[in-house]
Amino acid sequence: EVQLVESGGGLVQPGGSLRLSCAASGFTFSSYWMSWVRQAPGKGLEWVANIKEDGSENHYVDSVKGRFTISRDNAKNSLYLQMNSLRAEDTAVYYCASGLGATPPPRWGQGTLVTVSS
Amino acid sequence: DIQMTQSPSSLSASVGDRVTITCRASQGIRNDLGWYQQKPGKAPKRLIYAASSLQSGVPSRFSGSGSGTEFTLTISSLQPEDFATYYCLQHNSYPLTFGGGTRVEIK
Repeated sequence: EVQLVESGGGLVQPGGSLRLSCAASGFTFSSYWMSWVRQAPGKGLEWVANIKEDGSENHYVDSVKGRFTISRDNAKNSLYLQMNSLRAEDTAVYYCASGLGATPPPRWGQGTLVTVSS
Repeated sequence: DIQMTQSPSSLSASVGDRVTITCRASQGIRNDLGWYQQKPGKAPKRLIYAASSLQSGVPSRFSGSGSGTEFTLTISSLQPEDFATYYCLQHNSYPLTFGGGTRVEIK
């Protein structure tokens, strides 16, 4: 069964850090660009970052550049998002997703909630 | 950045109605666009890729059209399970950008 399972969300104070993980199974993880997409409570979807199949290239939305770092470990079939200097506006459900621009249907995780609040 | 302007932001429709949702890109994106359906508390699901190709397993009442800057998602005969929020996503250039969403509600 194809699965993406996120973990690592939780409550963090403004200025704090959190590391999200996404464990993949059931498909060839190393063959796909991987993305993080977030959704603030009651709001729309926002693409956050993505990383190339071999980890050699990545891209970010401007609002997280310099604060978030996307990485992957193909040997562990895992995707990560290191989030530093967190702000209230980073509060959202964070989804990992595969191949958003590819022909096969993208796989999505169930999401993990990050709440930034004092 | 490419802005994706989606309209309407919400609509009310009845079962059996034909529904059309539009996304307009601030600059040309060829056909590098997908349409997603999201139900409350769930992850999005892609219905259409490459602007007009139906994803495998998606009912044929869904169709997409357009190229360049104007794109349309059409549901030919709305079914009860189609009440959801729909988003377009452009992957032509970075940052990838979603439309603001269209909430389809029961009339």
